[in-house]
Amino acid sequence: KQEVTQIPAALSVPEGENLVLNCSFTDSAIYNLQWFRQDPGKGLTSLLLIQSSQREQTSGRLNASLDKSSGRSTLYIAASQPGDSATYLCAQYGNKLVFGAGTILRVKS
Amino acid sequence: NAGVMQNPRHLVRRRGQEARLRCSPMKGHSHVYWYRQLPEEGLKFMVYLQKENIIDESGMPKERFSAEFPKEGPSILRIQQVVRGDSAAYFCASSRSGENIQYFGAGTRLSVL
Repeated sequence: KQEVTQIPAALSVPEGENLVLNCSFTDSAIYNLQWFRQDPGKGLTSLLLIQSSQREQTSGRLNASLDKSSGRSTLYIAASQPGDSATYLCAQYGNKLVFGAGTILRVKS
Repeated sequence: NAGVMQNPRHLVRRRGQEARLRCSPMKGHSHVYWYRQLPEEGLKFMVYLQKENIIDESGMPKERFSAEFPKEGPSILRIQQVVRGDSAAYFCASSRSGENIQYFGAGTRLSVL
């Protein structure tokens, strides 16, 4: 069964900290892995998509890595800002797109 | 190129009424997916459709829920005789044939009174 787990469930950090969000998946037959951001009551904003043949993707202060052998992906956020406060979701493409439960991030000013 | 369009954005229904949620995929996309996000939970897959065909409905509740994607017009997720437990955000995504990347709409938030 395809499962995606995100750790931690919630994270609160002071502004300026670098932080890492973790995502693990059980199905090694991964196609792509995608990180999303969701603000309260809002839709999904795609942050980074890592194709199965890639090891990482970068966009601005965000860097996502993919390690298929260990079944893990990490989202690294550099120099966090209060505007980064949101829920971060990772999702694995397999037979269907399976989402983790998310990490609720709060960056305090 | 407009993104995935969902309407309405917010829908209020009383128990026992019907809810119809619409999703227009991105131009050139022939695959549509529906997901449900219950309060304080992650997104769960419901159904995957191509034009005029249901490909995978393994995530759909067995009763009251149905989905279609006709040859012309948007995909419709229909919930009959809604109950309070149906209150959730319903997201639609679309993809191009042969591509394994989904693009999401802004969602429809259903509130059942």
